[in-house]
This record gives sequence, C-alpha cells and structure tokens, in this order.
Amino acid sequence: KAGVTQTPRYLIKTRGQQVTLSCSPISGHRSVSWYQQTPGQGLQFLFEYFSETQRNKGNFPGRFSGRQFSNSRSEMNVSTLELGDSALYLCASSLVGQGAGVNSPLHFGNGTRLTVT
Amino acid sequence: DAKTTQPPSMDCAEGRAANLPCNHSTISGNEYVYWYRQIHSQGPQYIIHGLKNNETNEMASLIITEDRKSSTLILPHATLRDTAVYYCIVRVGGSSYKLIFGSGTRLLVRP
Repeated sequence: KAGVTQTPRYLIKTRGQQVTLSCSPISGHRSVSWYQQTPGQGLQFLFEYFSETQRNKGNFPGRFSGRQFSNSRSEMNVSTLELGDSALYLCASSLVGQGAGVNSPLHFGNGTRLTVT
Repeated sequence: DAKTTQPPSMDCAEGRAANLPCNHSTISGNEYVYWYRQIHSQGPQYIIHGLKNNETNEMASLIITEDRKSSTLILPHATLRDTAVYYCIVRVGGSSYKLIFGSGTRLLVRP
C-alpha cells in the first residue's frame, strides 16, 4: 500500500506570494492532518480534515487554509507569505473517525520544504 | 491533552537495548500514550501506543507504569538506523486527531 504522498518536495517562494501544497493520503484514509515544523517551534498542528470538513484547527493565522476533496486528497494554502513561513510542512493521514480506527496512528508523508526569500 | 517531559538526548551502543523514558504525570484516564520517531529529513514515523497495559510490536515495547504517570519505550536491539528524535505524546482517543509534539529525545546509537 502506498504511503502518504506530498508534492512538491521542495518549494522556493518570495515574500508576499501564495503557495499551495498537495497531499494524497493512504488509500482508505479519510482523515488528513497538516503540521508545520520549524527549528524554533518544532512540530505544530495546523488543521485536520475528515470527509471534506475541517474538524480541528491549530493556532495559526487565517493566511493558512486548507481543504479536502471527495477523494480525501487535501491541499493547504498559505497566502501573503512571510519569511517565518519557511518550514517543513507535513501531511498525515489516519483511519480515525472511521469506526474501529478511533485510536489509529497517524501516518506522515515526508513533507514539503518551503523556503520563503 | 497532557504534557510530556523527555530527556533532550540519550545515547546507547549498537546492539544494546535503548530505554527512552517519558513523564506524563498529568495524564487522565482516557488519554493514550503514543510514540513516534523522526529520522532526519523524513516525516515522523509511528512506533507504538498504549493505554495502560504494556504493549509490544515488531519495532519496540512500551512499558507504562501502574499509575500511568510515566512510560518507557524500549528498542530491544538498537541499530545505527534507530538514530532519530523520539517523541512521546499523549492524546485522548476520539474522532478528531490533533497531536501536540514536545521537543522529544534525540537518540544517538553508537557503533
């Protein structure tokens, strides 16, 4: 079974631009979460989607948004990029919310490394 | 979700057991303990989780104290490829998934 796939792997953008990152979850997983990892703040939760609905949201400004499609694939968007948005963005999928999967683990992709210049 | 405390770094010799401690003294009755690890430049990898009983899988064993205020992840025969940052996390089982990562323990396996 294929793992969580994130594209692109690396991205360089300029301050003020916007960016869209893509995530394909493990087949059959309907929960998709996004995390930001920086050297200073570590791994921080951005949001979680299930069946195209945002179920949970972390403490990030409104410039960070996401969505999930009917096939469970997800995208996250960051508008008006700032230098501090440079980070590794990780997507994870899980069976949580699908009956027996209530304690199922998260399966992470290898992330998209975003550099803002 | 309860907070966890882990030593910032540890090391062990290749082939020996690595025992990684985690303190979660404020854990509540319905919170599970999860362990993940992150090898440089990769996404975190799930290792194991448990509620109150000890658990074992092909990767590791999880020992949770009777009062559930601490736990230990055991890698029985550490290899160089086990060098990584190990995160201990507690969360309430349920329909919405949000993990709060701490700083983790950086494990160095020495040849």
